[in-house]
Amino acid sequence: GQNIDQPTEMTATEGAIVQINCTYQTSGFNGLFWYQQHAGEAPTFLSYNVLDGLEEKGRFSSFLSRSKGYSYLLLKELQMKDSASYLCAVPNNAGNMLTFGGGTRLMVKP
Amino acid sequence: KAGVTQTPRYLIKTRGQQVTLSCSPISGHRSVSWYQQTPGQGLQFLFEYFSETQRNKGNFPGRFSGRQFSNSRSEMNVSTLELGDSALYLCASSPRTSVNYEQYFGPGTRLTVT
Repeated sequence: GQNIDQPTEMTATEGAIVQINCTYQTSGFNGLFWYQQHAGEAPTFLSYNVLDGLEEKGRFSSFLSRSKGYSYLLLKELQMKDSASYLCAVPNNAGNMLTFGGGTRLMVKP
Repeated sequence: KAGVTQTPRYLIKTRGQQVTLSCSPISGHRSVSWYQQTPGQGLQFLFEYFSETQRNKGNFPGRFSGRQFSNSRSEMNVSTLELGDSALYLCASSPRTSVNYEQYFGPGTRLTVT
């Protein structure tokens, strides 16, 4: 089976940096996704990590440690529009199903 | 390239009724997955179709069913609706190449059961 945990809510200030953690337990590992979801909208792809280390993509970076079953999403220079839910997810071995964490609702305050 | 489209966007039904939701994947994508999203349970996998065949099914009762057509469009049906079926139903398509697990989500159908 697969189990994913992430904090329920986080609050940060505009212009600051925030790190959203995700821990997972899977029977097989085929990478980890991060999605952003604004209220009432569809999840949109942010990143996909399959190897250990940090991958940077503009203001967003994602880190993976397979040995620790741990990932984080790092958001820099926070903007008000970054207020959203952030979901980590892992695919099954066949790649035809994503198991999602409960999502972390990030509130960015002025 | 057009994204994943879902119809209708909003729906209100009464307990006991049935509902059919539609999803058109990104052109060229042959895999379509359905997810249910509720505040209490989060995003949960319903089923996945590839080339008109159901390849995987989540832990949902038999009232939830789906199908995929030859043009990759998919429908899901929920019979005998219950209040707990009120949710956002998301469809996702994927190219399903051997190394690409990425799924692209549609805007969802918001179903309210009264």
